[in-house]
Amino acid sequence: DGGITQSPKYLFRKEGQNVTLSCEQNLNHDAMYWYRQDPGQGLRLIYYSQIVNDFQKGDIAEGYSVSREKKESFPLTVTSAQKNPTAFYLCASSITGGYNEQFFGPGTRLTVL
Amino acid sequence: QKEVEQNSGPLSVPEGAIASLNCTYSDRGSQSFFWYRQYSGKSPELIMFIYSNGDKEDGRFTAQLNKASQYVSLLIRDSQPSDSATYLCAVNQAGTALIFGKGTTLSVSS
Repeated sequence: DGGITQSPKYLFRKEGQNVTLSCEQNLNHDAMYWYRQDPGQGLRLIYYSQIVNDFQKGDIAEGYSVSREKKESFPLTVTSAQKNPTAFYLCASSITGGYNEQFFGPGTRLTVL
Repeated sequence: QKEVEQNSGPLSVPEGAIASLNCTYSDRGSQSFFWYRQYSGKSPELIMFIYSNGDKEDGRFTAQLNKASQYVSLLIRDSQPSDSATYLCAVNQAGTALIFGKGTTLSVSS
């Protein structure tokens, strides 16, 4: 089956810890994205990548980092500098980085203890 | 600040009725428009996209776009209880990522 996978489904982080969220796609899509969703809010863009070894900051990149070493993988690290990381994190991909539709993975729910 | 606005609802309709969801956007340069459905605790699922002015139909769903008035709408005919969800409008501008509205919650009663 083609699709986007995210792991883990639930993640608990202690204060001061860095954690990494995994996102993998086998759709052969060039572009990948990370969004954050808070309760009652729309999705906000953290980072996006239109091609391997290149990525750009979104609207709320502070406290996050990414890498894009492989076409199919776009991991997100939530660092201790992110002051309010509790949220639902969504990874998406699209064929290219243009005006194409984006498809989402199942999400990771991160909670800070 | 480029924005996408939606009425948060809830929008309540009886089973079998037409549900009408609306969305306005601020950037006239926007090129493509998307409707996602999101069930509680789940990720968004793409249900419609539209690029040109006018209507686009897919089964019980019709997307309508009016670029002059900067609004896009989604009509759901013969609404079913399984359509109860939050509907997110998203707009792509500058060929990068999507700008999302906060969503409209739809409740279909049987």
